[in-house]
Amino acid sequence: KAGVTQTPRYLIKTRGQQVTLSCSPISGHRSVSWYQQTPGQGLQFLFEYFSETQRNKGNFPGRFSGRQFSNSRSEMNVSTLELGDSALYLCASSPGWGHEQYFGPGTRLTVT
Amino acid sequence: GNSVTQMEGPVTLSEEAFLTINCTYTATGYPSLFWYVQYPGEGLQLLLKATKADDKGSNKGFEATYRKETTSFHLEKGSVQVSDSAVYFCALPINAGGTSYGKLTFGQGTILTVHP
Repeated sequence: KAGVTQTPRYLIKTRGQQVTLSCSPISGHRSVSWYQQTPGQGLQFLFEYFSETQRNKGNFPGRFSGRQFSNSRSEMNVSTLELGDSALYLCASSPGWGHEQYFGPGTRLTVT
Repeated sequence: GNSVTQMEGPVTLSEEAFLTINCTYTATGYPSLFWYVQYPGEGLQLLLKATKADDKGSNKGFEATYRKETTSFHLEKGSVQVSDSAVYFCALPINAGGTSYGKLTFGQGTILTVHP
């Protein structure tokens, strides 16, 4: 089976712009979660989606949003980018409740 | 919610040395516990897990035992290799009850460097 794929792998944006990141889960997986990884804050949970419904949301401002499509693919959007949004954004998928997550390689976002 | 504390500071070892990375947790109930590994330029890979007290998770020579008395889940390996150089994260579900693995809290990560 193909693993979790994330596109793009690298992205450079300017402050104030918005960005959309994409995640394709492992075939058959219906749960997708997003995490932000920074040197200062470490790994922090952003959202969890299951069957197109947001099940959990982390402690991030409203500029961070996401969605999941009927084929389980997920996108996250960050509007009005700030320098502090520079991070590695990781997506993880799992079959569902009680199953461990499988992570993608991440999207490295740099905000200048 | 649940939380995890992981030993900070990089760990540098010679090949074939013994490895211990400490992890302690605070949780309601007895959630599953995980160790993830991140190799340079890659995402996280599940290294091992334990789902109940006294369980021992193991994989690739690494082991960790779920100890409820000391609320710990320390990672050990008897003889490390250069290829084990990576960042290691201890993790558990954020929510009390701990069965939603889609919402994890992670330790700060421990950088392991193994020299030949």
